[in-house]
Amino acid sequence: NAGVMQNPRHLVRRRGQEARLRCSPMKGHSHVYWYRQLPEEGLKFMVYLQKENIIDESGMPKERFSAEFPKEGPSILRIQQVVRGDSAAYFCASSPPQYGTQYFGPGTRLLVL
Amino acid sequence: AQKITQTQPGMFVQEKEAVTLDCTYDTSDPSYGLFWYKQPSSGEMIFLIYQGSYDQQNATEGRYSLNFQKARKSANLVISASQLGDSAMYFCAMREEATSGTYKYIFGTGTRLKVLA
Repeated sequence: NAGVMQNPRHLVRRRGQEARLRCSPMKGHSHVYWYRQLPEEGLKFMVYLQKENIIDESGMPKERFSAEFPKEGPSILRIQQVVRGDSAAYFCASSPPQYGTQYFGPGTRLLVL
Repeated sequence: AQKITQTQPGMFVQEKEAVTLDCTYDTSDPSYGLFWYKQPSSGEMIFLIYQGSYDQQNATEGRYSLNFQKARKSANLVISASQLGDSAMYFCAMREEATSGTYKYIFGTGTRLKVLA
């Protein structure tokens, strides 16, 4: 049973470009969470999605950031017009529909030049 | 107020010794879950152990055990017989119900453990 998949593992963008981060949850998991981790810091919750629904986006910056989890395909975290402060590790986690453990993907390390 | 508090930013332990990493939590929900994750220098987040609020016994997984004291709202991680590979960042997390059928996970700031040879 494959774990949570994230790609790319590393992403380099110049200021002003767009970054697209993908996450495929574990089989049978319908809940997806995105977190951001700055160097030497803990995880900051960004957004919680179920298929075709955003459940909680209270941790998402109001501008430039968006997320989706379509009926088919992976969840996408999109960052438009990236700035240097967006450089971080972005983790996706998934959990089953009911009371279950959250499992993490390997993360995407975004570097903005 | 912090929902999950890890008061030890860094810890040292001698190889083969046991170590306790502290975690306290704050919730008014009667139903919640507590988790520990390990983040080695390679960066991935590894699930270690889970304790449900209604579980009567402390959770154990190999060398990991969770010292769950409900009245004190603490969920300390105990690692027995430490190994060099245990050197990592450790995060405590709590899951509580946000709305019916949806859950929030809240993470502590982490404890960096260094195992000494």
